Amino acid sequence: SQTIHQWPATLVQPVGSPLSLECTVEGTSNPNLYWYRQAAGRGLQLLFYSIGIDQISSEVPQNLSASRPQDRQFILSSKKLLLSDSGFYLCAWSDGENYGYTFGSGTRLTVV
Amino acid sequence: GNSVTQMEGPVTLSEEAFLTINCTYTATGYPSLFWYVQYPGEGLQLLLKATKADDKGSNKGFEATYRKETTSFHLEKGSVQVSDSAVYFCALSGSKGAQKLVFGQGTRLTINP
Repeated sequence: SQTIHQWPATLVQPVGSPLSLECTVEGTSNPNLYWYRQAAGRGLQLLFYSIGIDQISSEVPQNLSASRPQDRQFILSSKKLLLSDSGFYLCAWSDGENYGYTFGSGTRLTVV
Repeated sequence: GNSVTQMEGPVTLSEEAFLTINCTYTATGYPSLFWYVQYPGEGLQLLLKATKADDKGSNKGFEATYRKETTSFHLEKGSVQVSDSAVYFCALSGSKGAQKLVFGQGTRLTINP
């Protein structure tokens, strides 16, 4: 069966520090991969999606970047965090058909 | 572009009450529709889905029917429990391929014993 792992679960980082969040999927090949952010009390905003290795699309201009160095690995990064980067970050995968996503357990990032 | 509009929250009900959370959408083509649930401190879980008009998705006593004529996908449950307290998100997927999910803003549901 397919599983998705996301880590760390929580992270507190100072302003200006770098960021790396990792997401891996097991049990499937060539998944579509997604990064979403959920700000406090708000809905989900799609940040990046990827339909293949080194194929990354950005949905909104921001301080973050994404990479997909392997088929089932998706990394969210920042060189210098801002206070506004705080939020709950969710990774997800889909098989490209209309069956919805499977989400990871999320990373709560607090920038101080 | 595609969009989803959800009933404003928060919603507070007593146990065993009837629940409706409204969801309407705007989309080109024939989207698939979903309800996701988020329990406190967790990621999102797929609750139910419908992939074509008139389909009814159901799970854990929740139901939603894909109504193309009213562009709606309202979530219902006949008798809610305290354990149903969570945030509920309506979402649509426009097409195959990249299959980007567009979410509503979420509705926080609290069930009191």
